[in-house]
This record gives sequence, structure tokens and C-alpha cells, in this order.
Amino acid sequence: GAVVSQHPSWVICKSGTSVKIECRSLDFQATTMFWYRQFPKQSLMLMATSNEGSKATYEQGVEKDKFLINHASLTLSTLTVTSAHPEDSSFYICSARRVMGSTDTQYFGPGTRLTVL
Amino acid sequence: EDQVTQSPEALRLQEGESSSLNCSYTVSGLRGLFWYRQDPGKGPEFLFTLYSAGEEKEKERLKATLTKKESFLHITAPKPEDSATYLCAVHTGGFKTIFGAGTRLFVKA
Repeated sequence: GAVVSQHPSWVICKSGTSVKIECRSLDFQATTMFWYRQFPKQSLMLMATSNEGSKATYEQGVEKDKFLINHASLTLSTLTVTSAHPEDSSFYICSARRVMGSTDTQYFGPGTRLTVL
Repeated sequence: EDQVTQSPEALRLQEGESSSLNCSYTVSGLRGLFWYRQDPGKGPEFLFTLYSAGEEKEKERLKATLTKKESFLHITAPKPEDSATYLCAVHTGGFKTIFGAGTRLFVKA
């Protein structure tokens, strides 16, 4: 159990276009999902917290108009990188929070490699 | 300031050579400590959750332990397939998650 999927797994786009990445919790409902960014050989950097039915909470330094987050249902959150530029190229990873009794765990998706030309 | 520090940054072992990875933390109100394994180009894979000092969890060749200041991930008789980056993360009050920088483990046959 506790499977999280991401789509697409990789995407190449031209500078100035927008890219949407989907994150789905396949076998549990997640009121909270998280979006991370990871640079090579570095740890995960939290970008924003996505809450079902409400606005996302962005970390300091992350442009909310640049990275649009929509948590439309208890199993789906989307991240849209608007007007992408080469510096937005990175590995984007989502996670979904599962609370079961006294346990509270984040399960991660497989990641999406974005390359902006 | 909440902080999570992992050591060493990288660890090279021979197959069968047991060792430990360290995760030390300074946080206000620990709600849980998590270990993940991450392979290159993939998302982190959940391994263990530890909630209180003295707690231990085991899975195959891995054993995680927790004290009030740090956690250890012990690897017994590692195999080349155990090569990966191991991430430690702590959840604080209000479900804020802080990740360590990770330990890159290389196991040579």
C-alpha cells in the first residue's frame, strides 16, 4: 500500500511554455501533499504544501505565480510551472501525507525530470 | 533553529562490511523521525518511522535506532544493491518536515 504516482516521469519543453505535473495517491486519500525540488546530489527542497480544498502554502523564496498548485481532490495535486525557463530545469518530487491512527507518514512519488530548452 | 545533520556525506564499504549512518537532530517537538532510501533519478522510498527514544525498527539488513538527539541506520553485511542515498527527515510540531542532506552509500562487490 501507500503508492504515489507522478506523471509525466520526464518532460522536455521550450522556454516560455507551461508544464503541468500530476501527483496522485493511488490507494489512500491525502488531504495534504507536498512538492519538492531536488538538484543533483542535493537533498530535497520543500517548495509548497498543497491542501485539498484550499490554497497552497509556499515556502519562502518560491514564486506562487510561477509554480501554480491545485489540490483538486483527495487523491490528486498538480504543479504547473508557468513560462518555464532553463533555470527551472530540475527534478520535481511530490509526496502525500497518510495518517493512520498514531502513524503519520509521507510517501513519495517517483519524481518528474523537467528539462527546459 | 531546527536542524538535521547526516554523517558521513559519503560512505564506501566492501560487500559484507557492516557500518552505521548517523542522523543528528535539533528540533522543537519531535513528532517522528523517518528514514528513506533514494536511488538516482527516483523518488525517496520509505523505510522506517521512529517516534520515541529507545525505539528500534528492522528490515532485512537495515536496523534503525533512535535516541533523544540522534538516529542510527545500521547496515549489516551490505550488498551492492544497498548502494543508494539514505535520507533522514524529522517531523516537528505542525507537521513541518526537515530533511538532512543524505548519506551516499557505495557498496563494492
